[in-house]
Amino acid sequence: GIQVEQSPPDLILQEGANSTLRCNFSDSVNNLQWFHQNPWGQLINLFYIPSGTKQNGRLSATTVATERYSLLYISSSQTTDSGVYFCAVEREKTSYDKVIFGPGTSLSVIP
Amino acid sequence: SAVISQKPSRDICQRGTSLTIQCQVDSQVTMMFWYRQQPGQSLTLIATANQGSEATYESGFVIDKFPISRPNLTFSTLTVSNMSPEDSSIYLCSTSGLAGWETQYFGPGTRLLVL
Repeated sequence: GIQVEQSPPDLILQEGANSTLRCNFSDSVNNLQWFHQNPWGQLINLFYIPSGTKQNGRLSATTVATERYSLLYISSSQTTDSGVYFCAVEREKTSYDKVIFGPGTSLSVIP
Repeated sequence: SAVISQKPSRDICQRGTSLTIQCQVDSQVTMMFWYRQQPGQSLTLIATANQGSEATYESGFVIDKFPISRPNLTFSTLTVSNMSPEDSSIYLCSTSGLAGWETQYFGPGTRLLVL
């Protein structure tokens, strides 16, 4: 099956710093999402981005489907950005296929 | 978007017992999914709950251990049966909306500790 890798596994940032999180996947995908799991366990969808670039405030994401990777950019990080960031991929477009989550990047933003 | 609630939010159970987790969505949805997140780990899909038919289980998960009900388009339950300490996890309900797989939404999760 499809493999999903994320890097780095852990990241500590000083408040205000920028960072780039990476998601690599081993097969063609038609759907890709980025999620943030806050320290209380709630999963929030950040981006639905099977290809191209999207921006939402201080966050942006780029997926290059032909090269099988996606990047999540966090600018001017805040302590509320702390938590675990997951990317999740799905292979098939016309019918539901298994959604595979990457192992996550654990981010700690310190004041 | 979809708003998802789960009950209970957390529980502590004795081994050998069973717990049923409820998931309620504020709108009708086609597919509902149940995930498990073991401590410090990523999410693993347990099964897809289809309205009016048997749930579809992923490799490593069986109906006898994790029976699922889906009586209508807004509600589903997951039962964790004959629990052992290895079942201690967060169990999350999710949906992709009425139009098919698109933006995926998650409930707040049920934190289960089995002693």
